[in-house]
Amino acid sequence: GAGVSQTPSNKVTEKGKYVELRCDPISGHTALYWYRQSLGQGPEFLIYFQGTGAADDSGLPNDRFFAVRPEGSVSTLKIQRTERGDSAVYLCASSPRRQGETGSTGELFFGEGSRLTVL
Amino acid sequence: EDKVVQSPLSLVVHEGDTVTLNCSYEVTNFRSLLWYKQEKKAPTFLFMLTSSGIEKKSGRLSSKLDKKELSSILNITATQTGDSAIYLCAVTGTASKLTFGTGTRLQVTL
Repeated sequence: GAGVSQTPSNKVTEKGKYVELRCDPISGHTALYWYRQSLGQGPEFLIYFQGTGAADDSGLPNDRFFAVRPEGSVSTLKIQRTERGDSAVYLCASSPRRQGETGSTGELFFGEGSRLTVL
Repeated sequence: EDKVVQSPLSLVVHEGDTVTLNCSYEVTNFRSLLWYKQEKKAPTFLFMLTSSGIEKKSGRLSSKLDKKELSSILNITATQTGDSAIYLCAVTGTASKLTFGTGTRLQVTL
């Protein structure tokens, strides 16, 4: 597709349930990022992939959160035993190069996000 | 830990006014500062400023980086209602990630 695609756009779940959020980056983009944005806050970094590997997962809040990118394209963010505090918009972004790499414009291309509501 | 602080948190202006948004940062091994505009969900890129490019301009929008003061400003002249949005400032340092501020919510009224 032309841009970063995220599904579902909205997800309502009950406390304790498992959820998966999917991100389809721009074709050819090697770098993929997950951010979480709560109401009134800026995006908060979760994890960064360069190709298939998680190059930096320092933003994952705890071991209930996990993300994969098995073929270096589509990524899935997985949240186990959801809690009400997990409610937020989960944003995915991709970039053709690693931030700071020679030739990088610094621009991240964001998807529309997945709004997660945990009841 | 990298940190970005934006001010004001929100402001309301009349169409035609000029506004200045502020961003200050703390980052290890600064690489770049970026401005994004967020109207609904997806932030869209405005500018990237680095040590070698401390001023950028595009139409009515312009931005400057002050490396000594560890800050940046985003100026919007002759504001229009379409400029209403949240403006996000972010920095990159040693790590290959963006650290965002909380944003400035701008509302432009007729």
